[in-house]
Amino acid sequence: KAGVTQTPRYLIKTRGQQVTLSCSPISGHRSVSWYQQTPGQGLQFLFEYFSETQRNKGNFPGRFSGRQFSNSRSEMNVSTLELGDSALYLCASSSKSRGSSSPYGYTFGSGTRLTVV
Amino acid sequence: AQSVTQPDIHITVSEGASLELRCNYSYGATPYLFWYVQSPGQGLQLLLKYFSGDTLVQGIKGFEAEFKRSQSSFNLRKPSVHWSDAAEYFCAVGDENDMRFGAGTRLTVKP
Repeated sequence: KAGVTQTPRYLIKTRGQQVTLSCSPISGHRSVSWYQQTPGQGLQFLFEYFSETQRNKGNFPGRFSGRQFSNSRSEMNVSTLELGDSALYLCASSSKSRGSSSPYGYTFGSGTRLTVV
Repeated sequence: AQSVTQPDIHITVSEGASLELRCNYSYGATPYLFWYVQSPGQGLQLLLKYFSGDTLVQGIKGFEAEFKRSQSSFNLRKPSVHWSDAAEYFCAVGDENDMRFGAGTRLTVKP
């Protein structure tokens, strides 16, 4: 069973550009969450998608957006990049279904390392 | 609001010694608690999770954690550390709708 796949693994962008990151969850997982990880702020929740709907959103500016497709693959987009957006972006999928009261925990991808110069 | 505190930023232990990583949480109801491990340049791997029932939870790689409601703690333990355990460890509370991670504890293993 393939794990969570994130592409690309590494990315270098210039300030002001935009970037799109991709995440393919484990087959059958419909919940996909995105996190930003930096040395100073740790793991910060960006957003969570379930069945193409954004269910939850963290405290990030509108430059950060995402979407989920019918096959559960998800993308996140960051527009007008700033130096502070340099981070490891982690995608996590879960088999938790809507309405389930028990969490299953996440399976994380290896992340996309974004460097903004 | 739920939150997680990992009081130790960095811990160094000798190979073969026992390990305990501390985690304290704040949560309004019965917490769902998790421990994850992250190797350099990698994503996080789930070590173990607690929902309810037995307060001593067994995980992968020989790790266990004990839920203590009275102390709002969920400390991770391992009786004998291996060099391959060197990594960063994250405690988390919540579920997939709202999961909060601690700041992490970096574990160094001395030969």
